[in-house]
Amino acid sequence: DSGVTQTPKHLITATGQRVTLRCSPRSGDLSVYWYQQSLDQGLQFLIHYYNGEERAKGNILERFSAQQFPDLHSELNLSSLELGDSALYFCASSSLAGGDNNEQFFGPGTRLTVL
Amino acid sequence: GQSLEQPSEVTAVEGAIVQINCTYQTSGFYGLSWYQQHDGGAPTFLSYNALDGLEETGRFSSFLSRSDSYGYLLLQELQMKDSASYFCAVRDGTSGTYKYIFGTGTRLKVLA
Repeated sequence: DSGVTQTPKHLITATGQRVTLRCSPRSGDLSVYWYQQSLDQGLQFLIHYYNGEERAKGNILERFSAQQFPDLHSELNLSSLELGDSALYFCASSSLAGGDNNEQFFGPGTRLTVL
Repeated sequence: GQSLEQPSEVTAVEGAIVQINCTYQTSGFYGLSWYQQHDGGAPTFLSYNALDGLEETGRFSSFLSRSDSYGYLLLQELQMKDSASYFCAVRDGTSGTYKYIFGTGTRLKVLA
């Protein structure tokens, strides 16, 4: 158990809908990262927040947005969902602001299925 | 563009040694990380190399050569539980900011 929690574990929805994925980092970690992993694919970095501020942005679609709240939990919002958005979404946390030691602790993931 | 290349699959027997290579093409390179992911599970951090050389952690070692844009993960005394996918990853600092790039993963099969 990494100490990172994600809810829900599974999410099934229809095209065009909007969903929110939630992540609580490890106690004391200020950084939260979001990744997308499609079937048999590597991890695609979406976005990184540190202590409430966006620090880095990867290949995140305009239909996707995220934020980190004062209590450090983070939410990833996915809107106008398409079939291709079906994937495993991981949240990770670390104590550093994307610093030298890139050790990130991953949550169990949310499996999103868009029908 | 930025990319990481690693073999898609490696097979070895229990007790053996296996090396998983990773070559990368980036600029503003910060360091090379390795993660393990079992089927259906979350990635777990294995190692990080910022400087050239070998880092050893138990049965796992990781090597980096910045001049060659190359690194590898060495797994010794293979066990069945090592069957998993292994990803190399970099923190790439191009374009005035940075992002994390993961390779597509190497599926390791350990045979009895």
